[in-house]
Amino acid sequence: QVRLVESGGGVVQPGRSLRLSCAASGFTFSIYPMHWVRQAPGKGLEWVALISYDGNTKYYADSVKGRFTISRDNSKNTVNLQMNSLIGEDTAVYYCARGATLLGEYVFWGQGTLVTVSS
Amino acid sequence: DIVMTQSPDSLAVSLGERATINCKSSQSVLYSSNNKNYLAWYQQKAGQPPKLLIYWASTRGSGVPDRFSGSGSGTDFTLTISSLQAEDVAVYYCHQNYSPPPTFGGGTKVEIK
Repeated sequence: QVRLVESGGGVVQPGRSLRLSCAASGFTFSIYPMHWVRQAPGKGLEWVALISYDGNTKYYADSVKGRFTISRDNSKNTVNLQMNSLIGEDTAVYYCARGATLLGEYVFWGQGTLVTVSS
Repeated sequence: DIVMTQSPDSLAVSLGERATINCKSSQSVLYSSNNKNYLAWYQQKAGQPPKLLIYWASTRGSGVPDRFSGSGSGTDFTLTISSLQAEDVAVYYCHQNYSPPPTFGGGTKVEIK
């Protein structure tokens, strides 16, 4: 069955970096776009970034552009989110999700990993 | 960016009664070449990731009970729960995947009256 497992979350000081990973299994990873979606405590869903199946197309939310980088390794079935210059507003649960199309709806989600930015 | 506006923010409905959630997009999400609206609905229960309920505005996801239905086109959409069950207590989000960046509505919390 499809599984998406995020890792790499934790507590980090403002201005520092963190790298999240999402390990995928149970499907042909290399043909699907992948997304990161986050949810601040008690708040709604916010799309963060997407990467096309081949890694050639990437989009970012304005709130993270220039600070976050999405990448993927189709040989290892993983998608990563490098987060630099973290600020308090980045505190959230980060979910990876498989897109049905490049921008598409998300049938499969991971359980999420919590990132807390605090001094 | 396309702004998604949901209403109401919350609603309380008696068991077995109908719940209706509205979602309005700041521009059309109807793709004219295939006549599909790129609008999805998700259900999120406490402590869980979201679950896809509806895509293309009105197509139910796999295993989704038929008491959930989606309607609308262009910029105005509705999610209806025809007969609310206890397990439907959750926050519901609309989501456009018509143009980048994908955007979500602010969510509607559904509770039992």
